[in-house]
Amino acid sequence: EPEVTQTPSHQVTQMGQEVILRCVPISNHLYFYWYRQILGQKVEFLVSFYNNEISEKSEIFDDQFSVERPDGSNFTLKIRSTKLEDSAMYFCASSYSRGASGNQPQHFGDGTRLSIL
Amino acid sequence: GQQVMQIPQYQHVQEGEDFTTYCNSSTTLSNIQWYKQRPGGHPVFLIQLVKSGEVKKQKRLTFQFGEAKKNSSLHITATQTTDVGTYFCAGPGYGGSQGNLIFGKGTKLSVKP
Repeated sequence: EPEVTQTPSHQVTQMGQEVILRCVPISNHLYFYWYRQILGQKVEFLVSFYNNEISEKSEIFDDQFSVERPDGSNFTLKIRSTKLEDSAMYFCASSYSRGASGNQPQHFGDGTRLSIL
Repeated sequence: GQQVMQIPQYQHVQEGEDFTTYCNSSTTLSNIQWYKQRPGGHPVFLIQLVKSGEVKKQKRLTFQFGEAKKNSSLHITATQTTDVGTYFCAGPGYGGSQGNLIFGKGTKLSVKP
């Protein structure tokens, strides 16, 4: 069964440094998402991406965050100047379509655990 | 902003007992999804409910969507140790236009053998 893959599985970075998290969504999916989950807490939406542009973003997704689809397979999340509170598990997800009812099942990757020192 | 409330936060059961988690929204939902996250894992899609009053079953799991489409529940009959994990409900978020999800805080289920 096709799956969403994320690299690296764990990233340790000094505060203030830039970090790029990488994702390869399922190949025929059109909608891409980033979520984060602080340890022991709920999954929080960051941003959705469709047709090579951001379609929705949350308050968490401020100017320090950016996303890019540099080629036909990768989908990246960049944090320009990391803060301690950025420490979390970051999940990439993809879905085939939005669907008539507004949502389609989202397939999540295994996540990247980001630790800011 | 839109919120999805979920209770209880934790549930400890003996293997063989039943388990239920409840989800409530402040607004009417066009649909609701349920995900399971095993310890150390990622959310895995279980089901989507769309219609008012809808009930769907997956083996020992029963999912319900309220008549007003503001609440939902997941019931597990005769829990097994393989049911351990956190169960999240999720509804369409923000504009709802591109499928982003607003998750509840989840119910963490532990099953004692």
